Amino acid sequence: DAGVTQSPTHLIKTRGQQVTLRCSPKSGHDTVSWYQQALGQGPQFIFQYYEEEERQRGNFPDRFSGHQFPNYSSELNVNALLLGDSALYLCASSLLGSGGASGELFFGEGSRLTVL
Amino acid sequence: AQSVTQLGSHVSVSEGALVLLRCNYSSSVPPYLFWYVQYPNQGLQLLLKYTSAATLVKGINGFEAEFKKSETSFHLTKPSAHMSDAAEYFCAVSDPGLGAAGNKLTFGGGTRVLVKP
Repeated sequence: DAGVTQSPTHLIKTRGQQVTLRCSPKSGHDTVSWYQQALGQGPQFIFQYYEEEERQRGNFPDRFSGHQFPNYSSELNVNALLLGDSALYLCASSLLGSGGASGELFFGEGSRLTVL
Repeated sequence: AQSVTQLGSHVSVSEGALVLLRCNYSSSVPPYLFWYVQYPNQGLQLLLKYTSAATLVKGINGFEAEFKKSETSFHLTKPSAHMSDAAEYFCAVSDPGLGAAGNKLTFGGGTRVLVKP
């Protein structure tokens, strides 16, 4: 059973460019969340997608956008990259319908973005 | 708004010694609480979670944590450290309103554990 897979694992961009990161959720999961983890810090919630719609959003500018596809996979797009966008971007999947206390987030290994 | 404070960004323990990682939270409602571990160049792995059942929670790899509402704490312990425990540990909190699967997590800054032979 494949877990959460993310691509690419590493990438380098320059300021002002745009980037797209991809995530395939764990088999059977229907919800995808994205987190940004700057070096030496804890992850910060960007947004969450369910049924191809953004359900929740953290305190990130509109330069950060996303999409969820019918097969539950997801993309994170960042426009007009800034040096401060350099971070590890983590995708987490879950089964929203599991509800209550039994649910759990499963994290991928992340995409490390470096902005020069 | 919820917040998490982890006391000590780095902890050094000897192999076989007690591991104690501190976590305090702030939440307007009784929260769900989590501990995650992150090994170098990897994602996050759930160690254990508190979801309003037993206040003493046992997790994987011999770790456990105790929820103390009066102290707003959820400290993580392991009686005897192993070399393989060297990693970064994150405490996280969420609002239980949407269930453990549906909520955003608010993470602490992390504690890096070094295990000395």
